[in-house]
Amino acid sequence: AVQLVESGGGLVQPKESLKISCAASGFTFSNAAMYWVRQAPGKGLEWVARIRTKPNNYATYYADSVKGRFTISRDDSKSMVYLQMDNLKTEDTAMYYCTAGDIGTTAFAYWGQGTLVTVSS
Amino acid sequence: NIVMTQSPKSMSISVGDRVTMNCKASQNVYNNIAWYQQKPGQSPKLLIYYASNRYNGVPDRFTGSGYGTDFTLTINSVQAEDAAFYYCQRIYNSWTFGGGTKLELK
Repeated sequence: AVQLVESGGGLVQPKESLKISCAASGFTFSNAAMYWVRQAPGKGLEWVARIRTKPNNYATYYADSVKGRFTISRDDSKSMVYLQMDNLKTEDTAMYYCTAGDIGTTAFAYWGQGTLVTVSS
Repeated sequence: NIVMTQSPKSMSISVGDRVTMNCKASQNVYNNIAWYQQKPGQSPKLLIYYASNRYNGVPDRFTGSGYGTDFTLTINSVQAEDAAFYYCQRIYNSWTFGGGTKLELK
């Protein structure tokens, strides 16, 4: 079965950095584009970042709200995807979900349980 | 940037009713739409992709339709376990979500 397990969330102060991780299993990780989606407390879903596969040069894409501050990366040898978050703002407080698509759907078929990032002084 | 607008924001339905919720794209997105269900404290679950394709294991009471800018998720004979938030999402070239519709049971 497909599993996505996020880790690394916590409480940080504004302007600090944090790196969260996602361990994937149960599918051919190296063939899958990977995504991060976040959800602020009591709010809706917001797509954050995408990273494509090696044949697509690991191309990355970001939501305007995080462009220039967040960096998505992956390690295919470990089936891991990461989100480096710099210059954090209070509005980045959210549950961060790692997601992946299923072949032929383009949509986010697989979701982790999320890791909570709280930015507060 | 394309904006996805969902309506209504919330609705209260009785078990057995038929419910329809809407998603409008600010530009033509063809059939590049997905629908998700999220229950409190849980991760979202994919229901529909490419506007009308039911994902694996999704009950056939869930139906997606639409093309271009206007899309609909219909639930026939709503069950108690369908109480949740529902989100639409553009799925190609950008992955913008709508604001969600909250479905409550009377």
